[in-house]
Amino acid sequence: DVVLTQTPPTLLATIGQSVSISCRSSQSLLHSNGNTYLNWLLQRTGQSPQPLIYLVSKLESGVPNRFSGSGSGTDFTLKISGVEAEDLGVYYCMQFTHYPTFGSGTKLEIK
Amino acid sequence: QVQLKESGPGLVQPSETLSLTCTVSGFSLTSYGVNWVRQPPGKGLEWMGTIWNDGSTDYNSALKSRLSISRDTSKSQVFLKMNSLQTEDTAIYLCARVRWYYWGQGVMVTVSS
Repeated sequence: DVVLTQTPPTLLATIGQSVSISCRSSQSLLHSNGNTYLNWLLQRTGQSPQPLIYLVSKLESGVPNRFSGSGSGTDFTLKISGVEAEDLGVYYCMQFTHYPTFGSGTKLEIK
Repeated sequence: QVQLKESGPGLVQPSETLSLTCTVSGFSLTSYGVNWVRQPPGKGLEWMGTIWNDGSTDYNSALKSRLSISRDTSKSQVFLKMNSLQTEDTAIYLCARVRWYYWGQGVMVTVSS
């Protein structure tokens, strides 16, 4: 199974601060078809996960452009440029290049 | 619009079988596959399995011996059955369409006597 290691487990940020979350994979996520199936999700308390980013860096419809994704192979990053109060929750990276797996999550808290 | 909704019993006895239904609308099961995912209280997400648009299935190797996913395309329903339940199977169970954009709200299942 592909293991996704997310760091840090917790982020404490002030409004307007920029933060980054790392997601490292135990195997390359580059599919034989040339796509890299690495997504980022946000789960707010008591809600289902909601999609933020797909294919490493593509913003899902309706997601603010303060969110951005980057990376390749085994190293990926989610960046929030200017945290807002509504961004609090748990962020997960997930891959489905191989059988799907999820990172352990990063909890974003607002100071 | 696309919707998925899970349903099933909230409480299951240890050693018994869990049966859940994911009812979808806004798309056809012959066009899109559906995943099952679970999340123990306060913990992360675990993929359980997928039923693809052609009816084929893939399962998490850790659950494969206990898990079965099937569907009724005429009713737009996907079914999950998992046997030999234990307390560690207590979780919120969610379905999500392939590509992971659309998710159901989840159903809480407690395994307890």
